[in-house]
Amino acid sequence: QVRLVQSGSELKKPGASVKVSCKASGYIFTHYAMNWVRQAPGQGLEWMGWINTNTGNPTYAQGFTGRFVFSLDTSVSTAYLQIGSLKAEDTAVYYCARDQAAGYHDAFDIWGQGTMVTVSS
Amino acid sequence: QLVLTQSPSASASLGASVKLTCTLSSGHSSYAIAWLQQQPEKGPRYLMKLNSDGSHSKGDGIPDRFSGSSSGAERYLTISSLQSEDEADYYCQTWGSGIWFGGGTKLTVL
Repeated sequence: QVRLVQSGSELKKPGASVKVSCKASGYIFTHYAMNWVRQAPGQGLEWMGWINTNTGNPTYAQGFTGRFVFSLDTSVSTAYLQIGSLKAEDTAVYYCARDQAAGYHDAFDIWGQGTMVTVSS
Repeated sequence: QLVLTQSPSASASLGASVKLTCTLSSGHSSYAIAWLQQQPEKGPRYLMKLNSDGSHSKGDGIPDRFSGSSSGAERYLTISSLQSEDEADYYCQTWGSGIWFGGGTKLTVL
């Protein structure tokens, strides 16, 4: 069955970094783009950007440049989100979501279960 | 500027029907959207993709109680025979040069 399984919750101190993984199964990983979505506590969904799983080329949405890095390991069908220089306002649940299309945007039809990242001293 | 507008809340009784609305901003009435359901403490779940002509394709395992329709810039999600597990946040999503989400509607089943 098609699914995305994310790594577990993280508790980090301000200034540290975190790497969240998203392992895909049940489909050909490189046939669909992968997106990252943030949901701050009690808030709605915010698109962070996407990565082309064929080329590895990432695109970051406004507000998610500099400290955010998308990467892949296609040998294990896994996408990664790394956030550096963590701040308290990065506290959120982070979701990976499969795009129905490969090299362009479409509906997000498969979602990971989410990874809670808490930044606190 | 593409904006998706949703009412913050809605409510309906167990067994009844409810119609949720997502409105596309001016100039974007031809856009398709997706409806997503987020139950408490869970990740979003894809319900369906809804085109401007009202045609829609549902995700795997989505019950027939969930249907979509369109009128102009409005996209609707109708849930019939409401069940307690339908109590959730419902988001619309659209795409183009980027991805946009509506603010979500919190549905309470009375």
